[in-house]
Amino acid sequence: QVQLKESGPGLVAPSQSLSITCTVSGFSLTGYGVNWVRQPPGKGLEWLGMIWGDGTTDYNSALKSRLSISKDNSKSQVFLKMNTLQTDDTARYYCARVDYYYGSSFFDYWGQGTTLTVSS
Amino acid sequence: DIVLTQSPASLAVSLGQRATISCRASESVDNFGISFMNWFQQKPGQPPKLLIYAASNQGSGVPARFSGSGSGTDFSLNIHPMEEDDTAMYFCQQSKEVPYTFGGGTKLEIK
Repeated sequence: QVQLKESGPGLVAPSQSLSITCTVSGFSLTGYGVNWVRQPPGKGLEWLGMIWGDGTTDYNSALKSRLSISKDNSKSQVFLKMNTLQTDDTARYYCARVDYYYGSSFFDYWGQGTTLTVSS
Repeated sequence: DIVLTQSPASLAVSLGQRATISCRASESVDNFGISFMNWFQQKPGQPPKLLIYAASNQGSGVPARFSGSGSGTDFSLNIHPMEEDDTAMYFCQQSKEVPYTFGGGTKLEIK
């Protein structure tokens, strides 16, 4: 069955960089895109960016200068890298698979998320 | 960016009654005759769960009491009859253009 699982460092100091891995199973990364979404404690959802099956990427323009999304199809892994972290980057970070319906896209499977705390 | 405004921010509904949540987009999210609007349910400590995609299509395994409607800029999520398990946060989300955006959320409780 389709599964996604995020893994990350948990705690990062301000101004440092972050790398989170999403490991997927039950589908191929060449056939589906994967998004990254984050949720600060007690707040709403923010879309960060995605990587499509062909490897092209889209980013939230508000964060684009600090974000990088890549993947390793052979390892079924997608990577989120963010630099110059600040305390307001503290959030739960989710990866989610994209499926399609007549050109519209939707996030049909989500990982459980990984919590990132930015603190000294 | 397309801004999604959900209302109400919180809602209390009696068991067996109807819950209606609205989502208004700052511009049309229709394209090629399809509305690029999705709805999610999120319970505490869990990731969002897809309920409705393309405005009115139920996600896999979603109970029939959840339905979506609307087009253009105005959309609704209806839950009827309300059950205890439906207590959660609900979010709308548009996928017409990047950046994909979410509504601010509606907290649904039992009255």
